Amino acid sequence: GQNIDQPTEMTATEGAIVQINCTYQTSGFNGLFWYQQHAGEAPTFLSYNVLDGLEEKGRFSSFLSRSKGYSYLLLKELQMKDSASYLCAAMDSNYQLIWGAGTKLIIKP
Amino acid sequence: IAGITQAPTSQILAAGRRMTLRCTQDMRHNAMYWYRQDLGLGLRLIHYSNTAGTTGKGEVPDGYSVSRANTDDFPLTLASAVPSQTSVYFCASSDSGGQGATGELFFGEGSRLTVL
Repeated sequence: GQNIDQPTEMTATEGAIVQINCTYQTSGFNGLFWYQQHAGEAPTFLSYNVLDGLEEKGRFSSFLSRSKGYSYLLLKELQMKDSASYLCAAMDSNYQLIWGAGTKLIIKP
Repeated sequence: IAGITQAPTSQILAAGRRMTLRCTQDMRHNAMYWYRQDLGLGLRLIHYSNTAGTTGKGEVPDGYSVSRANTDDFPLTLASAVPSQTSVYFCASSDSGGQGATGELFFGEGSRLTVL
């Protein structure tokens, strides 16, 4: 079956770095998405990876290893506003998005 | 620019009632989607439309119906609501078909539905 695994909750300190991991099993693969969702709000797009390697976008970076079925989202210089849920989603061969349950990130001062 | 607008933002209704959640986008995106989000679960696709005039079933379509008469509107109807349909519903769109292909999804603000 198709599956996405990511930690339920993580805690980090303001100004620090945190890495949120995601492993996926899909029938075929057409890319890996990360979305941010603040409590009570809509998800918003953060990144898309389809090739192996690291994509950097400001304080946020996303990494993909297709051979390992693994991705991570790296957040640097954490700010209080980064407190949110981070959703990992993999796209299968039919361009269907398979979503993880999300990782709730708590930032402490 | 509004993006995607959903209505209502919140609704409580009795089991057995009919309910339509409205979704309108002004980005001229071809593809539109309805998801439900429940605590502890990932977003689950209910129905989708790759282009006006066509619709398809997602992962959890039972008890829901959709229509896509034009590019902008994609209403979701619960013919006879049941308590298990209590959830937060998100409408989304993308500018490419094939269930989003490689295009990012743009989400509405959500409709919180409680069925008693």
